[in-house]
Amino acid sequence: AQKITQTQPGMFVQEKEAVTLDCTYDTSDQSYGLFWYKQPSSGEMIFLIYQGSYDEQNATEGRYSLNFQKARKSANLVISASQLGDSAMYFCAMSAYGGSQGNLIFGKGTKLSVKP
Amino acid sequence: EAQVTQNPRYLITVTGKKLTVTCSQNMNHEYMSWYRQDPGLGLRQIYYSMNVEVTDKGDVPEGYKVSRKEKRNFPLILESPSPNQTSLYFCASSLWGLTDTQYFGPGTRLTVL
Repeated sequence: AQKITQTQPGMFVQEKEAVTLDCTYDTSDQSYGLFWYKQPSSGEMIFLIYQGSYDEQNATEGRYSLNFQKARKSANLVISASQLGDSAMYFCAMSAYGGSQGNLIFGKGTKLSVKP
Repeated sequence: EAQVTQNPRYLITVTGKKLTVTCSQNMNHEYMSWYRQDPGLGLRQIYYSMNVEVTDKGDVPEGYKVSRKEKRNFPLILESPSPNQTSLYFCASSLWGLTDTQYFGPGTRLTVL
């Protein structure tokens, strides 16, 4: 069965420092996608970054990068130069293309708090 | 403005009273999906639709129905709501599927008494 695990319920980081949010996944599919979403306290869900299982290079989007280690089945999110506005819940998610092409599974999230 | 809208945003109802939560997108997206979010459980997918007239179950479809008669709308129907369906519901859409940026609606907070 497919599964996403986020082992850090909460994390603190000092403003302007980098932070890594952990995500490990489990799937038997060869084709899959990994996503990160941000949910501020206001409640909306914001797409951050995507990594395909066949992408050889780590995905980057501005201050966000995804550290993809396929053999270890990990897809950690790295936020560089943290800002106060980065304080939010962060969810890792996975989709599988082999069978259910539209199915998306989320982890339980990590609450990030940025300290001034 | 490109957006996903949901209505209502808040709803309190009673057990067994049928309700519909509407979802509409104005971006001509093919893919639409419904999720529920519960404390400690994260988001779980209820149903999704890859295009018009094509829908499929997600992880927690029991007690829900959907339809996709036209591209822009993807309503979520609770035929006989129960208290365990009290949750925060999100609709989302993307151009083709899950490799595209998913745009989420603002959420609908449902309470079933």
